[in-house]
Amino acid sequence: NAGVTQTPKFRILKIGQSMTLQCTQDMNHNYMYWYRQDPGMGLKLIYYSVGAGITDKGEVPNGYNVSRSTTEDFPLRLELAAPSQTSVYFCASSYPGRGNEQFFGPGTRLTVL
Amino acid sequence: AQSVTQLGSHVSVSEGALVLLRCNYSSSVPPYLFWYVQYPNQGLQLLLKYTSAATLVKGINGFEAEFKKSETSFHLTKPSAHMSDAAEYFCAVSDLTGANNLFFGTGTRLTVIP
Repeated sequence: NAGVTQTPKFRILKIGQSMTLQCTQDMNHNYMYWYRQDPGMGLKLIYYSVGAGITDKGEVPNGYNVSRSTTEDFPLRLELAAPSQTSVYFCASSYPGRGNEQFFGPGTRLTVL
Repeated sequence: AQSVTQLGSHVSVSEGALVLLRCNYSSSVPPYLFWYVQYPNQGLQLLLKYTSAATLVKGINGFEAEFKKSETSFHLTKPSAHMSDAAEYFCAVSDLTGANNLFFGTGTRLTVIP
C-alpha cells in the first residue's frame, strides 16, 4: 500500500494564480482531511469529507474549495492565491469513527509570491 | 470546545536522559487524545492514543503517556532519549462530531544533545 500520496511536493505560485493540490489514498478510508501547517501554529483543519459526495468546512476554509467524487481522491483547490496561503499542506485519511488514527501524506510545500 | 495546550515550544535533553513533553487538554466530555511525531520534511505519524481504556498508554519507539483527568493532562514520556527521537511532537484532541476531526497543539520541537 502506498498509503496517502500528495502531489506536487513543492510549488511556487504568483498572487492571483490558481492550483489544485492532489491527494489520493489506497486504504479505502471513508474519511479524508486537509490541514495547513504554519510555523509555531500546529495544524489547522481546512476541509474534511466523510465520504464521496460529502464535504464540510473546518477551522480555516476561506480561499479554498474541495470536492470528493471518489473514495480515493480528495483534491484541494486554491482560487486566487494570496501570500497568506503560503504554508505546508497535509492530506490525511482515517476509518470512520471518533478516535481512529489519521494517516498523513508527506505534504505539499506551497509558496505564494 | 475541544483544545490542547503544549507547554514549551522547544525542549532539549541529553542522550539517555528522560524525555517529558507536556500536553493539557480542554474538553466538555471524556476526550480522545493523541500524540503524533513529525520528522523533518515528513508527514505526521501516530505515536499513541488514549480512547478511554487504560490511563497509561504505551506507544511506538518506547514512548508512553498517562491520562490524568484531575490534572487534564496527557504528558508524553520516554525514559531514555535517543538521537533518533529528535523531531517535532504534536498533541491532539478529537472533536465531538463523528467526523474524527482533530485539534492540534502548537507542537514541541525536541532536540537531543549527544
